[in-house]
Amino acid sequence: EAGVTQFPSHSVIEKGQTVTLRCDPISGHDNLYWYRRVMGKEIKFLLHFVKESKQDESGMPNNRFLAERTGGTYSTLKVQPAELEDSGVYFCASSYPPSGHNSGEQFFGPGTRLTVL
Amino acid sequence: GENVEQHPSTLSVQEGDSAVIKCTYSDSASNYFPWYKQELGKRPQLIIDIRSNVGEKKDQRIAVTLNKTAKHFSLHITETQPEDSAVYFCAASLDSSYKLIFGSGTRLLVRP
Repeated sequence: EAGVTQFPSHSVIEKGQTVTLRCDPISGHDNLYWYRRVMGKEIKFLLHFVKESKQDESGMPNNRFLAERTGGTYSTLKVQPAELEDSGVYFCASSYPPSGHNSGEQFFGPGTRLTVL
Repeated sequence: GENVEQHPSTLSVQEGDSAVIKCTYSDSASNYFPWYKQELGKRPQLIIDIRSNVGEKKDQRIAVTLNKTAKHFSLHITETQPEDSAVYFCAASLDSSYKLIFGSGTRLLVRP
């Protein structure tokens, strides 16, 4: 089974530019999450989709960040315009809902390292 | 909201010794406590998790303990090996399908 994939693996942009990150969850996983780790600090929650609906977007830092999951499959996270403080590693995770057959574990992707200069 | 504190930030042990990483959380409603291991350049991977109806869980050399009254949970690694070297993150959540609130991570170095 293929794991969670993210594209690109690295992105270097200048302040004010736009960047779009993509996440492909594990097939069949209705839950999709975005997290961010900034410069050696903790991994922080950004938002949670259930299928195509935003279940929880309490971690989105401001309106420069826009996440979508059209069709309930892959998701994109757009940052426009990017600021210096947006630099970090953006992780995507996906999961089944917990049931008698699985624990609902969140599987993480490899991350996209974003550098804003 | 939930806040998770993790200690120590770095831990160096001799191969074969035990390692213990401790976390505290603030929200008594949290019921799910996973531990993730992130090796250099790789994705975080779940190594063990525990739910609030259980006080301890073991998987080979790894164990997690939970004290709901004190809002503490800990990761214990016995007979450490160099391949255990990584950053370990604890997290807390209402359940596995909700957002995870992570600690700041512990960098474990196992010296051969």
